Amino acid sequence: GAVVSQHPSWVICKSGTSVKIECRSLDFQATTMFWYRQFPKQSLMLMATSNEGSKATYEQGVEKDKFLINHASLTLSTLTVTSAHPEDSSFYICSAGTLRQGRYGYTFGSGTRLTVV
Amino acid sequence: DAKTTQPPSMDCAEGRAANLPCNHSTISGNEYVYWYRQIHSQGPQYIIHGLKNNETNEMASLIITEDRKSSTLILPHATLRDTAVYYCIVRVASEYGNKLVFGAGTILRVKS
Repeated sequence: GAVVSQHPSWVICKSGTSVKIECRSLDFQATTMFWYRQFPKQSLMLMATSNEGSKATYEQGVEKDKFLINHASLTLSTLTVTSAHPEDSSFYICSAGTLRQGRYGYTFGSGTRLTVV
Repeated sequence: DAKTTQPPSMDCAEGRAANLPCNHSTISGNEYVYWYRQIHSQGPQYIIHGLKNNETNEMASLIITEDRKSSTLILPHATLRDTAVYYCIVRVASEYGNKLVFGAGTILRVKS
């Protein structure tokens, strides 16, 4: 089945530094990838949609200069949290969309727990 | 904004069927209903999805009402490992790609 690998699974960084999270589709090509953020005991909040080779589209209220998304290939998208602050601490999850057997599906990564100290 | 409403929590006895309801009264004719579940600190796991016909796979059944304003996810024989947050999602179309916008979900607790 479709597998999405997300790395790292957890990271601790100092306030003011930047952190990059990778999302890879292992056995399929994903023209569209999605990035979500989840705070404790809350649902997933869509941050942005990225299409291979083009700029990401951000949801309202998400700072595009703070959350840099690159989708340079059909199997890799990255999210960089720039100048991280403690309020950016969260669970970040990527998802990749693909058409299989005539049906469109979304496969999620296992998530990255970011803690900013 | 999410286009679905679900009860915040439900309990189910182990071995019994778990029926999780979802309202999506503003769904459009070409919008699909997806169900995912999330176990603590993991990424969401796909369960099933459908447009207007009932669907069944090895995990669950999805019953969609004829007017498509609501649906029910059925786990036929719930086990303790089915304890999770279940999300009913209407896929939203956009020019940049159809996307899944999550609502609050239902916490399902399967009890022995």
